[in-house]
Amino acid sequence: GDSVTQTEGPVTVSESESLIINCTYSATSIAYPNLFWYVRYPGEGLQLLLKVITAGQKGSSRGFEATYNKETTSFHLQKASVQESDSAVYYCALGSTNAYKVIFGKGTHLHVLP
Amino acid sequence: GPKVLQIPSHQIIDMGQMVTLNCDPVSNHLYFYWYKQILGQQMEFLVNFYNGKVMEKSKLFKDQFSVERPDGSYFTLKIQPTALEDSAVYFCASSPPTGSYAEQFFGPGTRLTVL
Repeated sequence: GDSVTQTEGPVTVSESESLIINCTYSATSIAYPNLFWYVRYPGEGLQLLLKVITAGQKGSSRGFEATYNKETTSFHLQKASVQESDSAVYYCALGSTNAYKVIFGKGTHLHVLP
Repeated sequence: GPKVLQIPSHQIIDMGQMVTLNCDPVSNHLYFYWYKQILGQQMEFLVNFYNGKVMEKSKLFKDQFSVERPDGSYFTLKIQPTALEDSAVYFCASSPPTGSYAEQFFGPGTRLTVL
């Protein structure tokens, strides 16, 4: 079936260090999956961080980047230098233009130490 | 940015009772969704709703569940009767009429505890 697997947390890094949160997907019923990273900051609702709808393309937002790799079915989230304000839960997600739903990974809790 | 509101933030009820979870979606959005997240597990799709109808529902959307949005007011999820396994955080989402409808805007969730 369709599924998303991402780095199990919590992940703890120090401010200004680099970050990678791994995400792989399986889209057996979706011909052209759209890929997303959502983020939930403490006390807030889930919000879209970035999305990529075309394989081979890269999305970026707030210093985060993710490249849609169809060969490895991956969509890893990276940031060169994290900030304490990046502490949140990050969700990798898979969607389809033919299905009105989003399939989420379990989420990765990121702690950034000052 | 656009915000989805959910009322209440917490709800505690006895098993067998009815509960209604309310969602105030973004004003010009036309697609509405409910997701369920049990503690420690991933958020899972329940149902989507458009033009007064359920478009798609998952296996988690039991017969005891229903959704509606009467007269453009709150988008509601009703569970009647509730069961212990319904304890979870329920997230509402909405998406706009144009663009990628998979770009959903989420509310902060309602934590439902069934005793």
